[in-house]
Amino acid sequence: GENVEQHPSTLSVQEGDSAVIKCTYSDSASNYFPWYKQELGKRPQLIIDIRSNVGEKKDQRIAVTLNKTAKHFSLHITETQPEDSAVYFCAARAGAQKLVFGQGTRLTINP
Amino acid sequence: GAVVSQHPSWVICKSGTSVKIECRSLDFQATTMFWYRQFPKQSLMLMATSNEGSKATYEQGVEKDKFLINHASLTLSTLTVTSAHPEDSSFYICSARAANSDTQYFGPGTRLTVL
Repeated sequence: GENVEQHPSTLSVQEGDSAVIKCTYSDSASNYFPWYKQELGKRPQLIIDIRSNVGEKKDQRIAVTLNKTAKHFSLHITETQPEDSAVYFCAARAGAQKLVFGQGTRLTINP
Repeated sequence: GAVVSQHPSWVICKSGTSVKIECRSLDFQATTMFWYRQFPKQSLMLMATSNEGSKATYEQGVEKDKFLINHASLTLSTLTVTSAHPEDSSFYICSARAANSDTQYFGPGTRLTVL
């Protein structure tokens, strides 16, 4: 089955700098890759997703890139702000199968 | 985005009792609902997947007789933790997906504490 590895587990950046979180997946049939942001004690919220027919997608300060050949995808956050501090989860899914989540990255933005 | 509600948001119960958690999709029809369990500082662990009108599919290691899941309508799924014990204390989160949609929306979670 699918296996998703996420790195780093913790990331601390200065406010205004960029943050990058990387994930690798094992199932070459995976075709949907969402990213979720979870604040402490709250629900995971979808922040961006990408499908396998696209290499990059951007939404304001957030972008996701996908390399199908290498089977990895990354989340890029530019001009980070304190409210970006949270745990971020990547996930991958093949077709109608279940979403498989990465282990999560705790992002801290230092003022 | 679509809205998923969950009730109750927290519950405290005595060991041996049963607890029911409701998950509702408020503005879309959820053909598939998922139940997750999350321990502090850990990732989301899928417990089971349910399709409306069908029996739930449980992940390996999850006791189906202990965690009863019902998905009776396109907007409601319930998880019943039967004969709860302190080790069942956790954050339970549901998620819902509409037919022909990739996007999965999460409920706000239910924090269960078993004394």
